[in-house]
Amino acid sequence: KQEVTQIPAALSVPEGENLVLNCSFTDSAIYNLQWFRQDPGKGLTSLLLIQSSQREQTSGRLNASLDKSSGRSTLYIAASQPGDSATYLCAVIDTNAGKSTFGDGTTLTVKP
Amino acid sequence: DGGITQSPKYLFRKEGQNVTLSCEQNLNHDAMYWYRQDPGQGLRLIYYSQIVNDFQKGDIAEGYSVSREKKESFPLTVTSAQKNPTAFYLCASSIGGGPLHFGNGTRLTVT
Repeated sequence: KQEVTQIPAALSVPEGENLVLNCSFTDSAIYNLQWFRQDPGKGLTSLLLIQSSQREQTSGRLNASLDKSSGRSTLYIAASQPGDSATYLCAVIDTNAGKSTFGDGTTLTVKP
Repeated sequence: DGGITQSPKYLFRKEGQNVTLSCEQNLNHDAMYWYRQDPGQGLRLIYYSQIVNDFQKGDIAEGYSVSREKKESFPLTVTSAQKNPTAFYLCASSIGGGPLHFGNGTRLTVT
């Protein structure tokens, strides 16, 4: 059974700092991996999708990497801003079974 | 604009009553999903459907039921058999193994 872990559970940084969020998974078979942002009381907003054949994806200040051999993905946020404060979740998508497994998320606070 | 609509945003029910949560999508996605989220936790899969008139149980299906009579709609019924139904419920859709798209969620409170 796939297990997804996100460490740390919470992170607080000063504005302008670069930071890395971690996501690890136990089954390194062929999967896609998706990063989301969730604001309090809201649904999930997709940030980046890395397909199993890719190693990274970039969107603006965000860069996500995928290392299947080690079962890890990272989300790099450059020049953090208070508006980046949210909970960030990763999901491993089993493209054969059509199911996804989520981590518990990392709650990020960026202080002005 | 294409997207996923969940209604209502907030729902209150008395213990012992069944309640149905609505999820509609106009993205023309084949697959639809229901997740439950409890405070400080990730999402747990309740049911999913990859095609009309077919659906499968997820990890926590007990006490829930679904139907998929139309491609656009995937309603979730929380039955009185669900022992702890108070939670935030999220609906999502996708094409095959593509990116998941989420609605804004329904917060259900049962007292």
